[in-house]
Amino acid sequence: QQQVKQSPQSLIVQKGGISIINCAYENTAFDYFPWYQQFPGKGPALLIAIRPDVSEKKEGRFTISFNKSAKQFSLHIMDSQPGDSATYFCAASIKGGSEKLVFGKGTKLTVNP
Amino acid sequence: NAGVTQTPKFRILKIGQSMTLQCTQDMNHNYMYWYRQDPGMGLKLIYYSVGAGITDKGEVPNGYNVSRSTTEDFPLRLELAAPSQTSVYFCASSWGAGKGGELFFGEGSRLTVL
Repeated sequence: QQQVKQSPQSLIVQKGGISIINCAYENTAFDYFPWYQQFPGKGPALLIAIRPDVSEKKEGRFTISFNKSAKQFSLHIMDSQPGDSATYFCAASIKGGSEKLVFGKGTKLTVNP
Repeated sequence: NAGVTQTPKFRILKIGQSMTLQCTQDMNHNYMYWYRQDPGMGLKLIYYSVGAGITDKGEVPNGYNVSRSTTEDFPLRLELAAPSQTSVYFCASSWGAGKGGELFFGEGSRLTVL
């Protein structure tokens, strides 16, 4: 019940295209869903996060869509750029904080020029 | 503006050796964490601390120990290194629950056990 399942494992998109990464969870107690972005040789960094009281959150070209009934959430990257090439992790936690975040296994995104 | 600093960045150990990965943060965060990252496996929590003198086990604590004597420092000790501990280790810090969930990560320590 503590798992967060992320797909796909890898994704190749052309510049200007839309990148979509999906995550699913079982534990209905999860109430905080962040996405982290990791460039090679660096630590992950928070990209965008959502709480279950909203169905969508947008920050620039990045959008989280959240479906509480299906227990799924996804990251959409519009107008994907080569600089977006990185590994993306979804995560979830209880009580809305960073304590004991459960991470998905990651998606390696490659945006071709 | 250092954030979370980890040392060393790279280390090769022989089986059975011990070592300490150092982590320090200058953001006055109460919460600190150690994760390990293996290819295709995401980030697994090893240990975490909610304040000086308080530590707790995460998902994969076996073979590791931690201490938290100050707010700034959270070293990770590997005793009797094994090949299964070959990984990239990340230290992170945060304000903790109720104050925003953002984790601030260091740049990682790559450990190889031969």
